[in-house]
Amino acid sequence: NAGVMQNPRHLVRRRGQEARLRCSPMKGHSHVYWYRQLPEEGLKFMVYLQKENIIDESGMPKERFSAEFPKEGPSILRIQQVVRGDSAAYFCASSPLGGSSGNTIYFGEGSWLTVV
Amino acid sequence: DAKTTQPPSMDCAEGRAANLPCNHSTISGNEYVYWYRQIHSQGPQYIIHGLKNNETNEMASLIITEDRKSSTLILPHATLRDTAVYYCIVRVASGSEKLVFGKGTKLTVNP
Repeated sequence: NAGVMQNPRHLVRRRGQEARLRCSPMKGHSHVYWYRQLPEEGLKFMVYLQKENIIDESGMPKERFSAEFPKEGPSILRIQQVVRGDSAAYFCASSPLGGSSGNTIYFGEGSWLTVV
Repeated sequence: DAKTTQPPSMDCAEGRAANLPCNHSTISGNEYVYWYRQIHSQGPQYIIHGLKNNETNEMASLIITEDRKSSTLILPHATLRDTAVYYCIVRVASGSEKLVFGKGTKLTVNP
């Protein structure tokens, strides 16, 4: 897991507030994935981004959730007007330039969001 | 949806080899088999991957059957720190190439 940096590691938000989770991919990686893991459940794919482009957002909730990966800086997962059901671990992962499923995806240690 | 089938749980004695099976009968010719594990409250950790040939690294060995419909992850000398959920994933070779996680196998290494 070394190399994919996520922050904050733990975040507490009140219902209705906004949560912003940041992810810096491994050096040389230009592809970022976000996953969510609800308590006692499996990892669910949310979104796949390359620099300045969303490639696959098939796992993103239709409302309140957005993601970006700007030309400069980390990838951001933004959750607006959080609700208690958003409490989960959010994992970021990165991989080198795509084009082959032989390129390994590496995960960060996660950001734990608690909505109170 | 996950394209693999794994037993929900397994036990292994410390110091013995842990052999974790995975069925992926619908795998396509250009799809890789990946193994990850997740220790409680940590991010998924990459273990190994392969296409057709058997693979070995410092963590584990991956044995893929000739017809590619199943594989086995081998931890040669399991330790207590290997207790984790192990995921076998068939990675699609087109589109976003995302990893689709199933329920995995909960491996418990006992002293």
